[in-house]
Amino acid sequence: AQSVTQLGSHVSVSEGALVLLRCNYSSSVPPYLFWYVQYPNQGLQLLLKYTSAATLVKGINGFEAEFKKSETSFHLTKPSAHMSDAAEYFCAVSDRADKLIFGTGTRLQVFP
Amino acid sequence: EAQVTQNPRYLITVTGKKLTVTCSQNMNHEYMSWYRQDPGLGLRQIYYSMNVEVTDKGDVPEGYKVSRKEKRNFPLILESPSPNQTSLYFCASSYRGFEPQHFGDGTRLSIL
Repeated sequence: AQSVTQLGSHVSVSEGALVLLRCNYSSSVPPYLFWYVQYPNQGLQLLLKYTSAATLVKGINGFEAEFKKSETSFHLTKPSAHMSDAAEYFCAVSDRADKLIFGTGTRLQVFP
Repeated sequence: EAQVTQNPRYLITVTGKKLTVTCSQNMNHEYMSWYRQDPGLGLRQIYYSMNVEVTDKGDVPEGYKVSRKEKRNFPLILESPSPNQTSLYFCASSYRGFEPQHFGDGTRLSIL
């Protein structure tokens, strides 16, 4: 059965610092992988999606994620954090058309 | 504007009083889904629908009903709400399975 683990429910960084949010998945078949962001009082918005076309996926707002099959990981990074990046981030995996499994989320705080 | 619209956004009600949360999408999407979001648990799928008149249970369907009589609408029905259904609920849609999902802004339900 597919599952998603996000290490660290809270991550704090200074403005301008590197952002690294970790996601590991388990899936019996090559999966589709997603990162979503949730701002306060809003729904989830897609940041980026991996579909096997390229292992390094670029998303919106300067975020990118690298698919590493050997590590079953899909970590999200951004070289330089901005105050507006403060939000909750969810990794999700799908290996069935009818099923999207979410991780428990990582809340990112950005300090000036 | 492409969107998923949920109503109401907030609702406080009492145990046992039937309620319906409406969801409508204007993107002609085949796939629709309901999730609940609880602290520390991420998003969990309640029900999904892959087309009109086709619905199926997700991971946490107990106490909920859905219907899909029209492509654009996918209401969530709580026939006899209980306090453990107090949660933040999201409706989502996608063109088809494996595609990124578009989320509504959420409905916060409080069952007293």
